[in-house]
Amino acid sequence: GAVVSQHPSRVICKSGTSVKIECRSLDFQATTMFWYRQFPKQSLMLMATSNEGSKATYEQGVEKDKFLINHASLTLSTLTVTSAHPEDSSFYICSARGRQGSEAFFGQGTRLTVV
Amino acid sequence: AQKVTQAQTEISVVEKEDVTLDCVYETRDTTYYLFWYKQPPSGELVFLIRRNSFDEQNEISGRYSWNFQKSTSSFNFTITASQVVDSAVYFCALSEAQSNFGNEKLTFGTGTRLTIIP
Repeated sequence: GAVVSQHPSRVICKSGTSVKIECRSLDFQATTMFWYRQFPKQSLMLMATSNEGSKATYEQGVEKDKFLINHASLTLSTLTVTSAHPEDSSFYICSARGRQGSEAFFGQGTRLTVV
Repeated sequence: AQKVTQAQTEISVVEKEDVTLDCVYETRDTTYYLFWYKQPPSGELVFLIRRNSFDEQNEISGRYSWNFQKSTSSFNFTITASQVVDSAVYFCALSEAQSNFGNEKLTFGTGTRLTIIP
């Protein structure tokens, strides 16, 4: 099946620094990629949707200047958490979808810890 | 607005028992997709099934089966003869089909933590 690779799987960073998370579709063209955030023992909440070559669409309440999303190619999207703070510590997971109506394939997730 | 409710927060059953995970959804769209995902302790989401709103046939895949009933807006998931490896958090999700470049986003339920006791 389709594979989506997310890197890194775990990252610890100091408060105030920026962290970049990559999401790659390995064997299909991902027209659309989604970024989700999951707080401990809670559900996944959609942060933003990005289409290749376009600006990301952010969900209400998500700071676009803090969570920078780039989707420069059909196989790569990046999420940069800028000026990270401890409250940004969370599990971030991306998904990629090909054709309309197809299932979303998820990456392995990135556990971010800001100290 | 769309919403997915998984009323069961945690379930524990003894191995080999059958267990049903409930999912109730709300949507105003006539065309939509329903999903189930498994999230083991490692964190990744494992796709289990996708069902579109026009297909109410129940589905069986090995020990897994799904019961989709539009009349009650439910999409329940049953595991028969449960095994320890089934222990995970299970999410039900809804996608409202949109026409703009497949730009569909998933609305997840809060998940059900299933523990299979050996």
